[in-house]
Amino acid sequence: DAKTTQPPSMDCAEGRAANLPCNHSTISGNEYVYWYRQIHSQGPQYIIHGLKNNETNEMASLIITEDRKSSTLILPHATLRDTAVYYCIVRAAGNKLTFGGGTRVLVKP
Amino acid sequence: DSGVTQTPKHLITATGQRVTLRCSPRSGDLSVYWYQQSLDQGLQFLIQYYNGEERAKGNILERFSAQQFPDLHSELNLSSLELGDSALYFCASGRQAESFYGYTFGSGTRLTVV
Repeated sequence: DAKTTQPPSMDCAEGRAANLPCNHSTISGNEYVYWYRQIHSQGPQYIIHGLKNNETNEMASLIITEDRKSSTLILPHATLRDTAVYYCIVRAAGNKLTFGGGTRVLVKP
Repeated sequence: DSGVTQTPKHLITATGQRVTLRCSPRSGDLSVYWYQQSLDQGLQFLIQYYNGEERAKGNILERFSAQQFPDLHSELNLSSLELGDSALYFCASGRQAESFYGYTFGSGTRLTVV
C-alpha cells in the first residue's frame, strides 16, 4: 500500500470547516483513498473513501486532486465531537488497512 | 454501537500469563481483523481471518495466535505476556475477504500487563 503523509496536528474553530490534507504521491491506479478517525481510544471509525472522483456523505467530503497524488478531507462544520485523530490511508481493495500517524485535530470553542 | 463486539473491555494480568480476547463480527461479515495499538507503535495490523481461514498475517508475535470459529467469532490468544504487550487490541470485521469498502471496528480490549 502507498505511503501517506499528514500533518501531525491542527486546530480548528468550532462551526468552521476543517480541511485535512494528505499526500500520497506514490499511489497506484488501483488504490483507493480512505479516511478513518479515532476518538480518544475508541475503535477507528470509517468516514469516507474514493478513487478519483470527489465524494460526499453525511460526515464529510473528500476532494482528490486530478493526478491523485493528494487529497483533502473536509469536515464542513466542525463540532467539539470531531476532536480526534484522523487517518488517511491508501489501499488496494482486499489489502489490509495500514494506519500511519494521522493528524490530531483539536476543535476549539 | 458499531455491531462488532469485543470482550472483555478491560483486562489486567501478570507477566507470564495467558489471556484470550474475543470478537464477534457484525452480522453477515465473514472477515475478522485484529489490530494492536500501543502508545509508541500506533495501530498495527496483526492478523486477518476470512470464513474460518487465516487470510493475511501482519506483525503478530509467535506468542500470539488467533482463530475464527464456525460461528465466525474470533479469539486472539496472547501467551507468556510481557509488560510491552500492554495495549489496546481492536477487532474489525468486513463483509468479504477482499472488500471494496473499509471495515468496522469494535471498541477494543484494553490489556494491562503488570
